[in-house]
Amino acid sequence: AQKITQTQPGMFVQEKEAVTLDCTYDTSDQSYGLFWYKQPSSGEMIFLIYQGSYDEQNATEGRYSLNFQKARKSANLVISASQLGDSAMYFCAIEDYGGATNKLIFGTGTLLAVQP
Amino acid sequence: DVKVTQSSRYLVKRTGEKVFLECVQDMDHENMFWYRQDPGLGLRLIYFSYDVKMKEKGDIPEGYSVSREKKERFSLILESASTNQTSMYLCASSDSAGISGFETQYFGPGTRLLVL
Repeated sequence: AQKITQTQPGMFVQEKEAVTLDCTYDTSDQSYGLFWYKQPSSGEMIFLIYQGSYDEQNATEGRYSLNFQKARKSANLVISASQLGDSAMYFCAIEDYGGATNKLIFGTGTLLAVQP
Repeated sequence: DVKVTQSSRYLVKRTGEKVFLECVQDMDHENMFWYRQDPGLGLRLIYFSYDVKMKEKGDIPEGYSVSREKKERFSLILESASTNQTSMYLCASSDSAGISGFETQYFGPGTRLLVL
């Protein structure tokens, strides 16, 4: 079964600095997808970035990039030039294929606090 | 713009009450999901639906049921609410992977349920 591990319950980062949020995964599938979501204090989960296991390049979306190391089974999220609005919970998730649709298995999340 | 709405942001119920949580999406998505979110546990899948009147159990279905009579609406039902069902409930929807090659789940704002 798929599993996501986020070992950092919380992190601080100074505004304008870069920060890396760790995510490791466990899967026996050859093909899989990894997602990162942001959850601000308002509660809504916001999709940030996706990485497919066969993608040759690391995914990037604006200030977000994914440091994907397949052999180490890690998919760390890098946020460049942190902003105060980046303060939120961040969840890593892996697709669970099979059945009628794809499901997501989430990690326990990392709470990021951006300091001015 | 993608829109998933949930009937209530906050809900307080008494033990033993029957509770309905409603979720509506306006994107004509095939798939809908109900999660609960608890501190330190991340998001856990309760039930999901891949078509009208079709449903499947997720990882923690005990104590819950669901209903999907129309494509846009997915209801979560707590037949007899208990205090251990106090949690944040998140609804999501997704469509089959298209050009992007992956299925992004779009989330509603969540319902914070307190059972006394």
